[in-house]
Amino acid sequence: AQSVTQLDSHVSVSEGTPVLLRCNYSSSYSPSLFWYVQHPNKGLQLLLKYTSAATLVKGINGFEAEFKKSETSFHLTKPSAHMSDAAEYFCVVWGSQGNLIFGKGTKLSVKP
Amino acid sequence: ETGVTQTPRHLVMGMTNKKSLKCEQHLGHNAMYWYKQSAKKPLELMFVYNFKEQTENNSVPSRFSPECPNSSHLFLHLHTLQPEDSALYLCASSQRLPGTSYNSPLHFGNGTRLTVT
Repeated sequence: AQSVTQLDSHVSVSEGTPVLLRCNYSSSYSPSLFWYVQHPNKGLQLLLKYTSAATLVKGINGFEAEFKKSETSFHLTKPSAHMSDAAEYFCVVWGSQGNLIFGKGTKLSVKP
Repeated sequence: ETGVTQTPRHLVMGMTNKKSLKCEQHLGHNAMYWYKQSAKKPLELMFVYNFKEQTENNSVPSRFSPECPNSSHLFLHLHTLQPEDSALYLCASSQRLPGTSYNSPLHFGNGTRLTVT
């Protein structure tokens, strides 16, 4: 069965410093993985997706994620945080039933 | 504009009321979904429609009744809800390739914030 685990429920960074949001996955085959972002009172927006092509995936707003099979990880990073990055981030994997399986989310706070 | 529009954005209803949530997608997708997002819980898939046919019902109580009249519109009819049904209800759409397991990433609407009093 497929699953994802987001290792931090809350991450706080200062504006201009790097962001690291951690996600580990479990899958019996090569997974399709995604990161979504949700700003307050909004729906979920796709940040980036990994579908077995390049292991380093670039997304919108300067975010990127690296698929590491040996570590079963798909961590989300950004070199320099902006105030507008404050939101909740979800790591997601396609399930074998064709459904999306969401992590519990990581709330990112950005301090001025 | 997300390509998936949900109305209303906010809804307050009593436990004896009947109301409906509406979702419309402008992306030409052929699959639509209802998700429930409660505080401190992962997103819960409620219903899936492929080509207007319901293909999944995740043990959702019968007080939630979905309707998909065409591949662009999805409704969630609500009646005799409970306070624990208060949540953000998200609609999403995607493009599936028939006969394959391929499914594009989901595109979400902004949700309907439902409060049951």
